[in-house]
Amino acid sequence: EIVLTQSPGTLSLSPGERATLSCRASQSVSRSYLAWYQQKPGQAPRLLIYGASSRATGIPDRFSGGGSGADFTLTISRLEPEDFAVYFCQQYDSSPYTFGQGTRLEIK
Amino acid sequence: QVQLQESGPGLVKPSETLSLTCTVSGGSITSYYWSWIRQSPGKGLEWIGYIYYSGNTNYNPSLKSRVTISVDTSKNQFSLKLTSVTAADTAIYYCVRHLGYCSSTSCSSWFAPWGQGTLVTVSS
Repeated sequence: EIVLTQSPGTLSLSPGERATLSCRASQSVSRSYLAWYQQKPGQAPRLLIYGASSRATGIPDRFSGGGSGADFTLTISRLEPEDFAVYFCQQYDSSPYTFGQGTRLEIK
Repeated sequence: QVQLQESGPGLVKPSETLSLTCTVSGGSITSYYWSWIRQSPGKGLEWIGYIYYSGNTNYNPSLKSRVTISVDTSKNQFSLKLTSVTAADTAIYYCVRHLGYCSSTSCSSWFAPWGQGTLVTVSS
C-alpha cells in the first residue's frame, strides 16, 4: 500500500501568513490522484482539494494544491482564524486508499 | 444536499461484533459508492471498505477477514459489521460518499460528504 508522510507535524503561524503543508508518498501517485481534507476539533474531515489541485465546492481560493508524482503541497495563501485545524492528505490511486498522519496548523 | 448519519452501539465487548448503520438522506443510495472510514489516535484515518447498491464491495486487506459491508436500498442505508473486535478497534467510525471514478472492479475516489462520526469503544 502507498504510505503518505506529512510534514511538518505541527506548523505554528499567525493569521495573515502563508502556510505550506507537504505530503510525500512512498511511491508515485499516478494521475495526481491525491486529496486534502481539513478537520476541526469534534468534527468530521471536510474535503478541500481533489485531483491534487482542484478545489471542492465552496472552498475559498486562498486554498490551493499542487505537486505531482510523489510530492504534493497544500498552500493557504493568507491564514484566516478559521483555518487553524488539522489537515490530511489521501491518495486514491490504488487500493487500499490511505491517509497521511496529519499536519496540525496552530496559531502562533 | 446529501447527508449521512451513523448509528449503532457506542460500546462493544471484546470478541463480539461491532455493527453500525449509515442512513443517507437528500439523495439516493443507488447513485454513488459508499465507504466506512475509522479514525483512532494510534492508527489515524483508516479506510475500511466500500459498497455499491448492486452489492459490489471492496475491503481493506488489513480488515478483510473480519469485515462485511451491506446495503439496504429500501431504507437508503448501508451497514458495517466487524467481527472479533479488540481494543484496537476502538475508534470514531465515519460513513462517507465516494466522488470520482468507479468501475465494477475498482474505484479511484475521494470522499465527501462525511457523516458526523460515531465513537465506538471496545471494552468489557
